[in-house]
Amino acid sequence: GENVEQHPSTLSVQEGDSAVIKCTYSDSASNYFPWYKQELGKRPQLIIDIRSNVGEKKDQRIAVTLNKTAKHFSLHITETQPEDSAVYFCAASYNAGNMLTFGGGTRLMVKP
Amino acid sequence: DADVTQTPRNRITKTGKRIMLECSQTKGHDRMYWYRQDPGLGLRLIYYSFDVKDINKGEISDGYSVSRQAQAKFSLSLESAIPNQTALYFCATSVGRGRDEQFFGPGTRLTVL
Repeated sequence: GENVEQHPSTLSVQEGDSAVIKCTYSDSASNYFPWYKQELGKRPQLIIDIRSNVGEKKDQRIAVTLNKTAKHFSLHITETQPEDSAVYFCAASYNAGNMLTFGGGTRLMVKP
Repeated sequence: DADVTQTPRNRITKTGKRIMLECSQTKGHDRMYWYRQDPGLGLRLIYYSFDVKDINKGEISDGYSVSRQAQAKFSLSLESAIPNQTALYFCATSVGRGRDEQFFGPGTRLTVL
């Protein structure tokens, strides 16, 4: 089955700096890669996703890049703000939304 | 607003007890999922259902069972709870049919003593 590795497990940045979280996946058939944000004590919420026919996708301060050859994808957050502090999860699926396999999560701390 | 709800929100029980966690949704979505969350392990899929007559095992189904009583209701049961089932459990829903975002409930924190 699919295996998703996520790094780093914790990341601390100064407000205004950029943050990058990286994930690798094992199943070359995976074709859907969402990112979820979970604030402390809250439920996970989708922030951005990308499909395997696209190499990059942007939404304001967040972007995701996908390298199918290397089987890795990354989340980029620019101009970080304190409200970006949360746990971020990457995931992969071989059949769009079916059977999501999640990475272990990255705790992002943005220091004012 | 349409939402996903879970009951109970917190539960403490003893080893060997039968426990049921319930999930209801008013989103009108066909697909429902149960995950457990453990520190450092992310979210792991327990069971999922694409409609009322469909039940599928996920990554970690051993020790769990589910029931899809209606489109809006999906229950998770632990027949004989054990301490390593202590975790945060999330229900989620999605539309399917090319719309893949999963919407999570607020979670149930289960402690098995």
